[in-house]
Amino acid sequence: SQTIHQWPATLVQPVGSPLSLECTVEGTSNPNLYWYRQAAGRGLQLLFYSVGIGQISSEVPQNLSASRPQDRQFILSSKKLLLSDSGFYLCAWDRGQRDTQYFGPGTRLTVL
Amino acid sequence: SQQGEEDPQALSIQEGENATMNCSYKTSINNLQWYRQNSGRGLVHLILIRSNEREKHSGRLRVTLDTSKKSSSLLITASRAADTASYFCATDQTGANNLFFGTGTRLTVIP
Repeated sequence: SQTIHQWPATLVQPVGSPLSLECTVEGTSNPNLYWYRQAAGRGLQLLFYSVGIGQISSEVPQNLSASRPQDRQFILSSKKLLLSDSGFYLCAWDRGQRDTQYFGPGTRLTVL
Repeated sequence: SQQGEEDPQALSIQEGENATMNCSYKTSINNLQWYRQNSGRGLVHLILIRSNEREKHSGRLRVTLDTSKKSSSLLITASRAADTASYFCATDQTGANNLFFGTGTRLTVIP
C-alpha cells in the first residue's frame, strides 16, 4: 500500500531564517507531487506541483521554492522566511489521472 | 478565481440529522471530488463524481452534480459526532493540470 510522509509535524522559525520541509511517498512510482498551503480556517492554495524528477511548476509568485531530487521525494524550501509564510503545509500525490489525491499529515509552520 | 466555493461556510447539526453542503464552480470539469479534513490533519478523499454522472452514493454519502448549474451537493445522512470535520470540494477542470479546491464547509455534529 502507498503511504506519504511529511516532516516535521510542527515548526517554529524566526523571520529571515531558512526553511526545508520534506515529503516522501512510498509504495508507488512516478507520482505527481503537490505542495499546498492552508491558512487558518481557509481552503487550499496550490504552491507547486511536479510531474517528474526535476520538473517543478509554480502556481503563485512567492519566496518559496520546491525541488524533486528523487522520484518520490518533494522538498519545499525558503532562503528567508516571512511572517506571511506561516500556515499549514500539505504535501499530496496522485497517479496523474487527477481522480484522487492522497495527502500527507501536514506541517504546521509558525514564523515569529 | 478557479476555486470552487462551498456553502454554508459552517454548519452545526444534532447527531442523527442529515447534513447538506453545496459547492459551486465556474468552468467545465472532468470530475468533481469531495474531501474531508479533520482539524490539523491532511485531507482524505471521500467520493468522486464524473461530469457525465448526476448522482453517486457511498455508504451514508450522497453526491449530486448539476453541470448546467455548475454545482454539486454532498449529503451526509444520519450524521454522527465523528463526522465533525471540514469538507472540501475539488474540481478537475478541463485543460488544467491540477485540482482546484474550494474554501470548505466546517461541519459540527453535536452529540
